[in-house]
Amino acid sequence: DTAVSQTPKYLVTQMGNDKSIKCEQNLGHDTMYWYKQDSKKFLKIMFSYNNKELIINETVPNRFSPKSPDKAHLNLHINSLELGDSAVYFCASSQDIPPSTVNTEAFFGQGTRLTVV
Amino acid sequence: QQPVQSPQAVILREGEDAVINCSSSKALYSVHWYRQKHGEAPVFLMILLKGGEQKGHEKISASFNEKKQQSSLYLTASQLSYSGTYFCGTESPGAQKLVFGQGTRLTINP
Repeated sequence: DTAVSQTPKYLVTQMGNDKSIKCEQNLGHDTMYWYKQDSKKFLKIMFSYNNKELIINETVPNRFSPKSPDKAHLNLHINSLELGDSAVYFCASSQDIPPSTVNTEAFFGQGTRLTVV
Repeated sequence: QQPVQSPQAVILREGEDAVINCSSSKALYSVHWYRQKHGEAPVFLMILLKGGEQKGHEKISASFNEKKQQSSLYLTASQLSYSGTYFCGTESPGAQKLVFGQGTRLTINP
């Protein structure tokens, strides 16, 4: 069983389209995250949720909207896609939310490679 | 602000040792280390929670110098499986998030 699973793994779409990436974790964790990794491998947090509540909302365009229907799911919807949105998006989960404890180890999904053309 | 890792890249022969440094301009509450192999997800290595804390398992260990706001990852007698990009993630007090360094690419050759 995959601990953190994302769909789709690859997403190629045209500028201006709206797309969603889904994430599910079966670890029973309370906290979930979205990270963006750009072409230079820079890994940056976008959002974090704890028990379905938004905790971290980094300065991202408001075209990005996360939704957490329950603790096990955190989806990312992106409106009006732009060329600069091309990146790998990682979902992750941890038992606790920072401040760090031994239970803030993050488990990452396999990533969704988004290409906007 | 993003922590700075050094070196940016290192190439070793199997069995050699490596040290990867992570330095922050901010006070730190914790440091996390992850390894990412090409085309895969980052995988957790360890968390260091206290100044001066050292952790390790087998041949990978790390230290955290809270006063200097830096951490180092030590890989001894490197194996081919250690190849990948290593990221430190730093957490400042009250931040509730990790900020990752730019990564250090480690290549181990036979």
